[in-house]
Amino acid sequence: SSELTQDPAASVALGQTVRITCQGDSLRTYYASWYQQKPGQAPILVIYNKNIRPSGIPDRFSGSNSGNTASLTITGAQAEDEAAYYCNSRDSSGNHVVFGGGTKLTVL
Amino acid sequence: QVQLVESGGGVVQPGRSLRLSCAASGFTFSSYGMHWVRQAPGKGLEWVAVIWYDGSNKFYGDSVNGRFYISRDNSKNMLYLQMDSLRADDTAVYYCARDGLQWLLSLSYFDNWGQGSLVTVSS
Repeated sequence: SSELTQDPAASVALGQTVRITCQGDSLRTYYASWYQQKPGQAPILVIYNKNIRPSGIPDRFSGSNSGNTASLTITGAQAEDEAAYYCNSRDSSGNHVVFGGGTKLTVL
Repeated sequence: QVQLVESGGGVVQPGRSLRLSCAASGFTFSSYGMHWVRQAPGKGLEWVAVIWYDGSNKFYGDSVNGRFYISRDNSKNMLYLQMDSLRADDTAVYYCARDGLQWLLSLSYFDNWGQGSLVTVSS
């Protein structure tokens, strides 16, 4: 199965914009999705099918894709956005699922 | 609203078996594929297994293939994970999650998650 690579950590000043990336060969074929996870809680889907937000997710969250890289952008980060963010997609076989290692976002 | 509630976790010795359950409510369970995803303490998310909406197909992650078995009972709105030959590195919180597509299978997004059940493999 293929892998998805994320930077382990990122930081953003309150109210500023941050982009979190996810790289992998399978992203050339399949959409990435993004999850937010706060300590002690289950993950929450924030972006799917490249750039669709589920109901209830603020519009400061957006997604994009270019080649083998998917990106999650938070425009105007809030204190409550401090969390770990994971990407996932199908793997290259098409029958398995792969997650990125996660990016821990700190809001300064 | 959609609810997924895992149960069956606990402490188990290496080499033994354990079965997790996930009770689903608030949606038509029989029309969605379902997944198990786990998270070792302090680590990231790892996909474990998927089962088609009707149980006709199942796929497993490499680390559990041949030891874990996913199943479902659509008459009871229940999802299961039978875990055999458990190892210390199976220690994790196990989440059940709903695939994002009805009838089909996205295999790329999970739109609802349970709160998880902790499995600790230790002697």
